[in-house]
Amino acid sequence: AAGVIQSPRHLIKEKRETATLKCYPIPRHDTVYWYQQGPGQDPQFLISFYEKMQSDKGSIPDRFSAQQFSDYHSELNMSSLELGDSALYFCASSQTGQGGYGYTFGSGTRLTVV
Amino acid sequence: AQSVAQPEDQVNVAEGNPLTVKCTYSVSGNPYLFWYVQYPNRGLQFLLKYITGDNLVKGSYGFEAEFNKSQTSFHLKKPSALVSDSALYFCAVRDSSDRGSTLGRLYFGRGTQLTVWP
Repeated sequence: AAGVIQSPRHLIKEKRETATLKCYPIPRHDTVYWYQQGPGQDPQFLISFYEKMQSDKGSIPDRFSAQQFSDYHSELNMSSLELGDSALYFCASSQTGQGGYGYTFGSGTRLTVV
Repeated sequence: AQSVAQPEDQVNVAEGNPLTVKCTYSVSGNPYLFWYVQYPNRGLQFLLKYITGDNLVKGSYGFEAEFNKSQTSFHLKKPSALVSDSALYFCAVRDSSDRGSTLGRLYFGRGTQLTVWP
């Protein structure tokens, strides 16, 4: 079965650089969620999109932005990177309606800022 | 506000013994509860969920969890642990009062590291 695809799997950036993370949800899933998991931390919700519109916003820094495109894939753009942005970034997708309370997570993108 | 507590940072159990990983929650409405497992440098893998119905939920790899509304708990259990069960386990909650998919973020506990020794 198709899963949530995230790219790249690993990314190394220097401070003050920009990074773009991509997420391809499961086909027919209409909602995408982004989470950030710092070292030894629980996943923290960043932002979500439903039908290409931002639906909820969590603890996402102003330096970060995200969008969902017409093909439902989503991108998380991170600018002016800081050392503290080093984390595992997860994308999850879900489908509303029948059985719509399941979330499928991608394998994550590990971002290292040096 | 919604929150999840996993009171134990670590749980150690011998292979073949039963295991329990504890989780308590706080939500405004009725909870939707989830357990996920994470292996090193990997994503979150779904184990099981409680939405409604039978309080005892059975999931993947022989895991089960019991929803207890009065104690606001959703402990993860397995009758006989395997060494391969060693991983980081996260409990998560969503508030059912979220309408449709306009909200629906999950709130995670801090995780419990399960170690099963041979």
